[in-house]
Amino acid sequence: GESVGLHLPTLSVQEGDNSIINCAYSNSASDYFIWYKQESGKGPQFIIDIRSNMDKRQGQRVTVLLNKTVKHLSLQIAATQPGDSAVYFCARLGGGTSYGKLTFGQGTILTVHP
Amino acid sequence: GAVVSQHPSRVICKSGTSVKIECRSLDFQATTMFWYRQFPKQSLMLMATSNEGSKATYEQGVEKDKFLINHASLTLSTLTVTSAHPEDSSFYICSASGYNEQFFGPGTRLTVL
Repeated sequence: GESVGLHLPTLSVQEGDNSIINCAYSNSASDYFIWYKQESGKGPQFIIDIRSNMDKRQGQRVTVLLNKTVKHLSLQIAATQPGDSAVYFCARLGGGTSYGKLTFGQGTILTVHP
Repeated sequence: GAVVSQHPSRVICKSGTSVKIECRSLDFQATTMFWYRQFPKQSLMLMATSNEGSKATYEQGVEKDKFLINHASLTLSTLTVTSAHPEDSSFYICSASGYNEQFFGPGTRLTVL
């Protein structure tokens, strides 16, 4: 069945370091992926998205890489700051009968130490 | 920007009672809203899709008679947890579709005693 999962459930980094959060997916029909940040007790916030016709997309301090060959995507955060501490989820936006539905991955807890 | 609100943010109720949670899109109209449930240290799980003016569609394993959804207008969807039990204690999050994106509410923490 469809699933979107994460390799690393927790990640601790020092302030200023770069962070890499990984995600694997099992459904090759996926064509739109989104990364969300969720702070404690809050709803998810959109960070960045990528479509399957792209390998890389950059935002402010964040980069998403998509490797369709191995069905893997990653979120890179440059110069990580304490305010980046949160849970990060990858999600896939469904199509067809699942149009508009988001399937979330397991989540990675990112802790940034000052 | 697009803002989605939820009310209440926290609710504590006794077992057997019903609780209503509201989800509002404040500055845009949302034909479709989604309801998610999130248990501690777990991911978001889609419960149902709420469509304005029609019946909600529920994901497999979600009881439609227990989780009543009403989407009476383009800016409001409600989720009613009927006959709540302690195992229904969770973080309930809604999202609204607009501008080709889903915008999430801040969540409602439900605790059933």
